[in-house]
Amino acid sequence: DAGVIQSPRHEVTEMGQEVTLRCKPISGHDYLFWYRQTMMRGLELLIYFNNNVPIDDSGMPEDRFSAKMPNASFSTLKIQPSEPRDSAVYFCASSSPARAHVEQYFGPGTRLTVT
Amino acid sequence: GNSVTQMEGPVTLSEEAFLTINCTYTATGYPSLFWYVQYPGEGLQLLLKATKADDKGSNKGFEATYRKETTSFHLEKGSVQVSDSAVYFCALCDNYGQNFVFGPGTRLSVLP
Repeated sequence: DAGVIQSPRHEVTEMGQEVTLRCKPISGHDYLFWYRQTMMRGLELLIYFNNNVPIDDSGMPEDRFSAKMPNASFSTLKIQPSEPRDSAVYFCASSSPARAHVEQYFGPGTRLTVT
Repeated sequence: GNSVTQMEGPVTLSEEAFLTINCTYTATGYPSLFWYVQYPGEGLQLLLKATKADDKGSNKGFEATYRKETTSFHLEKGSVQVSDSAVYFCALCDNYGQNFVFGPGTRLSVLP
């Protein structure tokens, strides 16, 4: 099993630019989570999906952030326009409670730097 | 709502020392409990889990016991190694895999 795949691993962009982060969950997993990790705030849940449907997006910081899951094997997190305070590591995770895998499996993360 | 409290550290130990990282939780019902580990530059990895009271999760020499009466899930290891240096997160979720909550993480440094 390839695990959760995220791309890119590193992204450096200028303030005001659009940023798109990508995630491929583990095959068969029906839950997908997006997190943000910073030194100041720790690990924050941004949004999660069940069967491609957004269930809770209360952690999305502002309208500049949006997330989609067009199919069971792909999700995106978009920031438009980006700001320096968005600099963080963004993680995607997936799980499959229906298959008794309630634990989340994390990807390697995307380190985003906005200058 | 559900919550997790853990000692924030940092914790610094010498190699072969005994490790305890405390974790207590607040939750309704009977949550599943987890310890995750994050090595530098990597994502979180599941270290161990317990899904019901008195269960003991174990992996790589680490252990934690689900204590319903004290709402605790303390992580222990009898003899730490330099390679155990990482950040450790206590977490819980309900039995549907929802309402996942992570603690703030505890940074462990093991010195040779």
